[in-house]
Amino acid sequence: GNSVTQMEGPVTLSEEAFLTINCTYTATGYPSLFWYVQYPGEGLQLLLKATKADDKGSNKGFEATYRKETTSFHLEKGSVQVSDSAVYFCALEPLPGFQKLVFGTGTRLLVSP
Amino acid sequence: GAGVSQSPRYKVAKRGQDVALRCDPISGHVSLFWYQQALGQGPEFLTYFQNEAQLDKSGLPSDRFFAERPEGSVSTLKIQRTQQEDSAVYLCASSPNTGQGEKLFFGSGTQLSVL
Repeated sequence: GNSVTQMEGPVTLSEEAFLTINCTYTATGYPSLFWYVQYPGEGLQLLLKATKADDKGSNKGFEATYRKETTSFHLEKGSVQVSDSAVYFCALEPLPGFQKLVFGTGTRLLVSP
Repeated sequence: GAGVSQSPRYKVAKRGQDVALRCDPISGHVSLFWYQQALGQGPEFLTYFQNEAQLDKSGLPSDRFFAERPEGSVSTLKIQRTQQEDSAVYLCASSPNTGQGEKLFFGSGTQLSVL
């Protein structure tokens, strides 16, 4: 079946530290991959996406590369800010065009000044 | 409004009560999804509409759950005879088109607590 596995949180970092949140997936076919972010009290927002192998999604200093050989889509940022504190969800779209997402359990990031 | 709107924001129900959760998607959005997010978990798919047609309801956990979108805009998720295990945040999302990698716009959710 289709599934997404994320590293458990919380991830606690100091401002300007390097961030990695691991995400691996299991899927048949060629899924699209996403990172969504949920700030406190707000709805999920798309952070970045990649639709095929070796694509790199990027937004707001965050990056993730679709690695088919390792079935991974790790989220990275070179220098985190306090405002990046949120819950991050990795997700896949198993069937292209159908948008029925399978989410991981989420990783909470806490950034201190 | 500019985003996906859900109401009520919070709902407390006694076990056995029926509840109705409303979703106002972004105007003109074709696709509409309902997800259930249990505490500490990621959202799980419940059902999908393309305009007024319910194309997939495979995620609805039981026949107590029912969703509709009669005019292809506002959607209602109804839960009959609520149980404690129904306690969760119910998320609605919409998208302007169908297509690979299309962005979903999520509402803030309705937090349902069944006592």
